[in-house]
Amino acid sequence: AQSVTQLGSHVSVSEGALVLLRCNYSSSVPPYLFWYVQYPNQGLQLLLKYTTGATLVKGINGFEAEFKKSETSFHLTKPSAHMSDAAEYFCAVRKETSGSRLTFGEGTQLTVNP
Amino acid sequence: EAGVTQSPTHLIKTRGQQATLRCSPISGHTSVYWYQQALGLGLQFLLWYDEGEERNRGNFPPRFSGRQFPNYSSELNVNALELEDSALYLCASSKGTSYSYNEQFFGPGTRLTVL
Repeated sequence: AQSVTQLGSHVSVSEGALVLLRCNYSSSVPPYLFWYVQYPNQGLQLLLKYTTGATLVKGINGFEAEFKKSETSFHLTKPSAHMSDAAEYFCAVRKETSGSRLTFGEGTQLTVNP
Repeated sequence: EAGVTQSPTHLIKTRGQQATLRCSPISGHTSVYWYQQALGLGLQFLLWYDEGEERNRGNFPPRFSGRQFPNYSSELNVNALELEDSALYLCASSKGTSYSYNEQFFGPGTRLTVL
């Protein structure tokens, strides 16, 4: 069964610092990988996705992620954190054989300190 | 373009009652997904409907059921409510399965509280 592991349920950074949120997946076949963000009392918004092709994926709000098959990782980064980035971030995986369902990681709460 | 809409925003029920949650997908989308986000349990897949049929189901008891209407909107029903059903229920929609990649767009959710 596929699963997604997000290392660190809480990450705290200073404004302007690098943001790194970690995600590892287990899958027997190359999956589709996603990062979603959830602001308080809201639904999920897609930040970026990896389907095929280029392994470095750029998303919205300055975020990017790199698919590393050898490490089964899809870490999310942003060079300079902004206060508005404070939210919960979810990594998700989808296999074609899983009937389009998304399997989510536990989530990482990002705090940005002034 | 309107996004995925869900109603009601909040729903308060007592144990043993039934709850009905509604979802309207983005225009042109034929697939609807339901997820449960419960405290401490993360986001879990509940149900997937496409073209009016249930395509896949997560690891939830049969008292969680739903349907998809001809206009592709969907309803999630939870019977015999239990305290642990308290959660945020998220609906997502996507283009149908004939597309090789069908990104899921999420609604704002319905917060169900069972007392």
